[in-house]
Amino acid sequence: DGGITQSPKYLFRKEGQNVTLSCEQNLNHDAMYWYRQDPGQGLRLIYYSQIVNDFQKGDIAEGYSVSREKKESFPLTVTSAQKNPTAFYLCASSLGLWGYEQYFGPGTRLTVT
Amino acid sequence: GQQVMQIPQYQHVQEGEDFTTYCNSSTTLSNIQWYKQRPGGHPVFLIQLVKSGEVKKQKRLTFQFGEAKKNSSLHITATQTTDVGTYFCAGSNNDMRFGAGTRLTVKP
Repeated sequence: DGGITQSPKYLFRKEGQNVTLSCEQNLNHDAMYWYRQDPGQGLRLIYYSQIVNDFQKGDIAEGYSVSREKKESFPLTVTSAQKNPTAFYLCASSLGLWGYEQYFGPGTRLTVT
Repeated sequence: GQQVMQIPQYQHVQEGEDFTTYCNSSTTLSNIQWYKQRPGGHPVFLIQLVKSGEVKKQKRLTFQFGEAKKNSSLHITATQTTDVGTYFCAGSNNDMRFGAGTRLTVKP
């Protein structure tokens, strides 16, 4: 089955801890994205990657970091510098950057207390 | 930079009534996409519009792209309870911006 997976589905952390969210795709897509979704709001872009070993900041990159060492994987680290980390995090991938259909993973709901 | 505004934020309808959500961009778009997110789920791609004035239909859903390629609409005829969810538009030019979404609830 081709698709995009995220794990875990729910994640709980204490304030001050870094946490890494996993995103894997087997669609052979070049582009990958991380979005944050807060209740009742749209999708805000955190980071995106057009190709392996390259990534760019989105609109709300502060307090987050990513890596793209493999085409299939685009993990997101939420650092302790992120002031309001509790949110629903969505990973997506597409054949190319912008203007292509994006396939979303099931999301990770992160709660930081 | 490019901004995409979407209205209304919420829409509550009786089953069988029609529903429309509208997107407006501050700049001309190369294309616009529409996604649906069911409650507790993730966004799923519905359609992409590319041409000026384009109209596409998917069963009870009609999508339009404005002549100036700055606005778009999604119209659902005779809503059903399965239409419940949040509908997002996403406009592309040199980047891609999602609207805030319209949350549709349907009363049976």
